[in-house]
Amino acid sequence: DPKIIQKPKYLVAVTGSEKILICEQYLGHNAMYWYRQSAKKPLEFMFSYSYQKLMDNQTASSRFQPQSSKKNHLDLQITALKPDDSATYFCASSPTGGNTLYFGAGTRLSVL
Amino acid sequence: GDSVTQTEGQVALSEEDFLTIHCNYSASGYPTLFWYVQYPGEGPQLLFRASRDKEKGSSRGFEATYDKGTTSFHLRKASVQESDSAVYYCALSSDSNYQLIWGSGTKLIIKP
Repeated sequence: DPKIIQKPKYLVAVTGSEKILICEQYLGHNAMYWYRQSAKKPLEFMFSYSYQKLMDNQTASSRFQPQSSKKNHLDLQITALKPDDSATYFCASSPTGGNTLYFGAGTRLSVL
Repeated sequence: GDSVTQTEGQVALSEEDFLTIHCNYSASGYPTLFWYVQYPGEGPQLLFRASRDKEKGSSRGFEATYDKGTTSFHLRKASVQESDSAVYYCALSSDSNYQLIWGSGTKLIIKP
């Protein structure tokens, strides 16, 4: 069974709309992350959270907002979508104090 | 800043060939070095890691040795199989803020 669940697996959106990408992890980890993968940048770090608090943000745009409603959840809200946002978004987690990441299967977002 | 360089963007081999994927890094001290593998449609998954000079990491027939002298962590496998077709990422972690520094990835293609 997958330990990190990302929903949906595929997502198509129109330019200007808003979408939420869901991530739940069942590994008991306290640190969670979002990464983006596109043809331009193989693996791009976006955010890291520890104990539901933002630790690092490498995303220039405020259109990307993580949301942590529970310890094992880290959703990603994206507003005013643009075609350039088309990519696969990966959620990951790690044990506290550890630096080994465990990834979900990703959400593939296409913005038309 | 810290960086990871993978020189091969793509490697094409036949089954049972010997594989080498080069990884060089730039970081102070003793970073932890990782190899991740990403199969089509999946998120990256840890292959193995190493934290000390001369330490060898290995898994599923793949291995790499931490070499501080040449700042390298080259991935090798004696005999590749079709199931090894994937993208391989070298990465490093040099501090405790959980952010991995990723190489650009190397796509391994196994020719029929």
